[in-house]
Amino acid sequence: QKEVEQDPGPLSVPEGAIVSLNCTYSNSAFQYFMWYRQYSRKGPELLMYTYSSGNKEDGRFTAQVDKSSKYISLFIRDSQPSDSATYLCAMTYGNNRLAFGKGNQVVVIP
Amino acid sequence: GAVVSQHPSRVICKSGTSVKIECRSLDFQATTMFWYRQFPKQSLMLMATSNEGSKATYEQGVEKDKFLINHASLTLSTLTVTSAHPEDSSFYICSARDAVVRGGLPDTQYFGPGTRLTVL
Repeated sequence: QKEVEQDPGPLSVPEGAIVSLNCTYSNSAFQYFMWYRQYSRKGPELLMYTYSSGNKEDGRFTAQVDKSSKYISLFIRDSQPSDSATYLCAMTYGNNRLAFGKGNQVVVIP
Repeated sequence: GAVVSQHPSRVICKSGTSVKIECRSLDFQATTMFWYRQFPKQSLMLMATSNEGSKATYEQGVEKDKFLINHASLTLSTLTVTSAHPEDSSFYICSARDAVVRGGLPDTQYFGPGTRLTVL
């Protein structure tokens, strides 16, 4: 499923910094755009979802979608050590199936 | 609410044996369950869609005779890896779609904690 590209490189930031993650996609038929958080050896949990272009905020998290550029982003403000996890972007297609990016491992250093 | 369990969490088996993994929705009914496979540092790859009472739909490239899926009830789906080989070693994750829209994202998938399969 190479329709969703997410640079899997690890990301280390100091506590309190802003974490910026992004994905690109090629399939215009994708409907919902989501961000999942996955802790080591656990299943993913849904963090945020958006449908249209623009920003959506939820506490310290902001999801951004730019459909014209086929680009989505997740920003984490005031990052905490508990935010250390792998973040996966995902998009729905067909009968609400999910296409995932490779995920970014984020480490927030106290 | 919306808890999905998987059993076992970890399994080690010999090459050539079959392994069954269970996926249960604990507090909701799931007409549809999905099975994913995740290799290290790779994304979750959808293997198949399992619908209660009907045959599973497999993604391209996934051998249906090797990965047997049974969705016998609204709360249980099983994945059986038949004649497992070392290349089948992976992290298998299921998700379940709530049959009831409870607000928020329609057709939300809730993920299980995964099963790590190691084939020797």
